Amino acid sequence: DTAVSQTPKYLVTQMGNDKSIKCEQNLGHDTMYWYKQDSKKFLKIMFSYNNKELIINETVPNRFSPKSPDKAHLNLHINSLELGDSAVYFCASSQGGWGNSYNEQFFGPGTRLTVL
Amino acid sequence: DQQVKQNSPSLSVQEGRISILNCDYTNSMFDYFLWYKKYPAEGPTFLISISSIKDKNEDGRFTVFLNKSAKHLSLHIVPSQPGDSAVYFCAASAAGNQFYFGTGTSLTVIP
Repeated sequence: DTAVSQTPKYLVTQMGNDKSIKCEQNLGHDTMYWYKQDSKKFLKIMFSYNNKELIINETVPNRFSPKSPDKAHLNLHINSLELGDSAVYFCASSQGGWGNSYNEQFFGPGTRLTVL
Repeated sequence: DQQVKQNSPSLSVQEGRISILNCDYTNSMFDYFLWYKKYPAEGPTFLISISSIKDKNEDGRFTVFLNKSAKHLSLHIVPSQPGDSAVYFCAASAAGNQFYFGTGTSLTVIP
């Protein structure tokens, strides 16, 4: 009965590969997010998505793409992985989205991605 | 680009004493602030929030203070307990848009 779940928890892969991280929330929230926490511990928003709008942080390379099969899922696809993509990726959800989110976000446990 | 700063990467406090975690921000448009707590191998969990129309919000042992003129907020934990040992992130938002997070402060409460 985990509120926000991510799979896998750990992902080790070679440079150049394509990989996906899955995220599911059972809170009935209408907005989901992907964050990246780098080695300096900065937690930065990558995407905000609800069923109406995708908002992309302009600093995110287009090798990263979110895919939402339904309201409860937001998967992260990464093409042509690079060494600098190594980080912990967190999925989150909230009720209300960009421009309307004075509500806290609920985070998943994170996926530690290591690119060799 | 770092609009939210937590300048103390770590803090150690004796059990029963007060823990004070600090956070500074640069964007005067921020109007909503949150504190998250994170245990190892888990995602951040929401702890307490404060709107810019207030200068204090209290929830049990946790109190957040906001000083808008100084662009500073702090989280007080009284009394501190060993289970409070975690990394604490502050986050800020303007007009309900994206949250900007600090780099966290690792709190250790010594029994």
